[in-house]
Amino acid sequence: GQNIDQPTEMTATEGAIVQINCTYQTSGFNGLFWYQQHAGEAPTFLSYNVLDGLEEKGRFSSFLSRSKGYSYLLLKELQMKDSASYLCAVRGPSGTYKYIFGTGTRLKVLA
Amino acid sequence: DGGITQSPKYLFRKEGQNVTLSCEQNLNHDAMYWYRQDPGQGLRLIYYSQIVNDFQKGDIAEGYSVSREKKESFPLTVTSAQKNPTAFYLCASSTWVGETQYFGPGTRLTVL
Repeated sequence: GQNIDQPTEMTATEGAIVQINCTYQTSGFNGLFWYQQHAGEAPTFLSYNVLDGLEEKGRFSSFLSRSKGYSYLLLKELQMKDSASYLCAVRGPSGTYKYIFGTGTRLKVLA
Repeated sequence: DGGITQSPKYLFRKEGQNVTLSCEQNLNHDAMYWYRQDPGQGLRLIYYSQIVNDFQKGDIAEGYSVSREKKESFPLTVTSAQKNPTAFYLCASSTWVGETQYFGPGTRLTVL
């Protein structure tokens, strides 16, 4: 079967660092994506990993280990505007366009 | 400006009526997708299309239908056979080798 697991909710303090984990079991892998989604809005792209290792983009970093079926999104210097849901998604095998989404992690940033 | 448009933003329908949600993109993307999102949940794939005149069922296609007559357009019809149609519907598109999907602003459908 195909499965993507993320924690349902996390809480952190403004200025802190938070790590959101994602584990996946999918038939085929052609990239892992992280999206941010504010309530009532569409998801927006944050990061993309296709090879093992860390990708850094400003305050956001994402890590991938394909052998472990594991990724994390690291958010540094948390701001109140980072309160949102964070979706992990895996793209299927090369030659298909199908993406599989996790249920998302709702992050609350407290002052 | 390139992007994906969905209309309308909010839609109300009576139970038993079919309704069609619009999705248009001018990004020249090959693939288009329809997702459904329920409160507190992730995205579930309804249908996707990799090329004009071709589409595949996703995980929850029952009660929905699509067409892909033009590269730019991928309308979704929610039929009366869909048992719980009230949800947030998101359209997206991507390229063959693109890094990500791009999402439209969504349509919130409420069936009364």
